[in-house]
Amino acid sequence: GDSVTQMEGPVTLSEEAFLTINCTYTATGYPSLFWYVQYPGEGLQLLLKATKADDKGSNKGFEATYRKETTSFHLEKGSVQVSDSAVYFCALSGTGNQFYFGTGTSLTVIP
Amino acid sequence: DVKVTQSSRYLVKRTGEKVFLECVQDMDHENMFWYRQDPGLGLRLIYFSYDVKMKEKGDIPEGYSVSREKKERFSLILESASTNQTSMYLCASRPPGRSTEAFFGQGTRLTVV
Repeated sequence: GDSVTQMEGPVTLSEEAFLTINCTYTATGYPSLFWYVQYPGEGLQLLLKATKADDKGSNKGFEATYRKETTSFHLEKGSVQVSDSAVYFCALSGTGNQFYFGTGTSLTVIP
Repeated sequence: DVKVTQSSRYLVKRTGEKVFLECVQDMDHENMFWYRQDPGLGLRLIYFSYDVKMKEKGDIPEGYSVSREKKERFSLILESASTNQTSMYLCASRPPGRSTEAFFGQGTRLTVV
């Protein structure tokens, strides 16, 4: 069945460091891929998405590229800020109405 | 602005009580979902609904039921609350289509004592 495997956390970085959070997926067909972010005490909100191979999603300085050949959708940011401290979830939407979420990666950025 | 509203942010209930968690969306979405979120386990799907009065079990439906009498409202029911149901509960809605995003409520932190 469809599934998402996400890099374990927690991750702690200094401000302005480079961020990568790895995400790989298993799916039949042609899924859409998403990154969601959850700030402390809140629900999830969409960060970015990509709906077909080689698409790049981007938002707020974050980027992820849909790589079909490696079944990956890694999240990157060139220079993190304290305000980026949150939990990040990789997700997949395939056939049917469901999302499949990774386990989440907690990021803490220290000044 | 899109909105998914959960009726409570924090809830404390006693073991054995019947608990209702309410979720309302204002986007006319067909699909609605209930997840629970636990540390190290991510989001696990409890139930989802793709239309009024329609429901399907997710990965962990045991101990839960749902109700969807109107399109905008999706209720999660804990028939007899137990301490292992202490968790964060998240409601979401989305329109049809695999490329559409899901919109989440702010979550309900339920503690069963």
